[in-house]
Amino acid sequence: AQSVTQLGSHVSVSEGALVLLRCNYSSSVPPYLFWYVQYPNQGLQLLLKYTSAATLVKGINGFEAEFKKSETSFHLTKPSAHMSDAAEYFCAVHTGGGNKLTFGTGTQLKVEL
Amino acid sequence: DTAVSQTPKYLVTQMGNDKSIKCEQNLGHDTMYWYKQDSKKFLKIMFSYNNKELIINETVPNRFSPKSPDKAHLNLHINSLELGDSAVYFCASSTGTSNTGELFFGEGSRLTVL
Repeated sequence: AQSVTQLGSHVSVSEGALVLLRCNYSSSVPPYLFWYVQYPNQGLQLLLKYTSAATLVKGINGFEAEFKKSETSFHLTKPSAHMSDAAEYFCAVHTGGGNKLTFGTGTQLKVEL
Repeated sequence: DTAVSQTPKYLVTQMGNDKSIKCEQNLGHDTMYWYKQDSKKFLKIMFSYNNKELIINETVPNRFSPKSPDKAHLNLHINSLELGDSAVYFCASSTGTSNTGELFFGEGSRLTVL
């Protein structure tokens, strides 16, 4: 069964520092992978998605992720954190018909001055 | 103009009661979903409808019954509420059932069972 694992339930960075949120996938077939962001008291919003085209995917708000098959990873990065990036981030993988997504356990990003 | 709207946003009720959460989307999407997010932020799909037809039905107690009167609406009715039903329930929609489709989420309905 396809699944994703997010390493680190909490990540704290200084404003202006690099953001790195980790996601590893388990899949016997080429996966479709997603990163979603959830701001406090809001629903999830798509940041970016990998659908077997380019391995480096650019998303909104300056985020990007690189699909690495050799490492079964799809880590999310942003060169310079902003206070407004503080949120919960979810990695997800498509796991079945009907556009079914299975989400990771989430990583809470905290940005400090 | 909200794309995916859920009502109510907050719901506090006693064990054993029956309650409903309503969801409407104005994006013209064919597919709608219910997800449950527990207190640890774990998000799990419950149901999905495509053009009013049930296409995903996860292992959910039969006290939960979704209803889709048309493709723009997907409601969730819960009978005999239990403490473990306390969670945030998210409605979402997408264009069709393609596996590259983006999900658009509502803001959630926080259910507290006392």
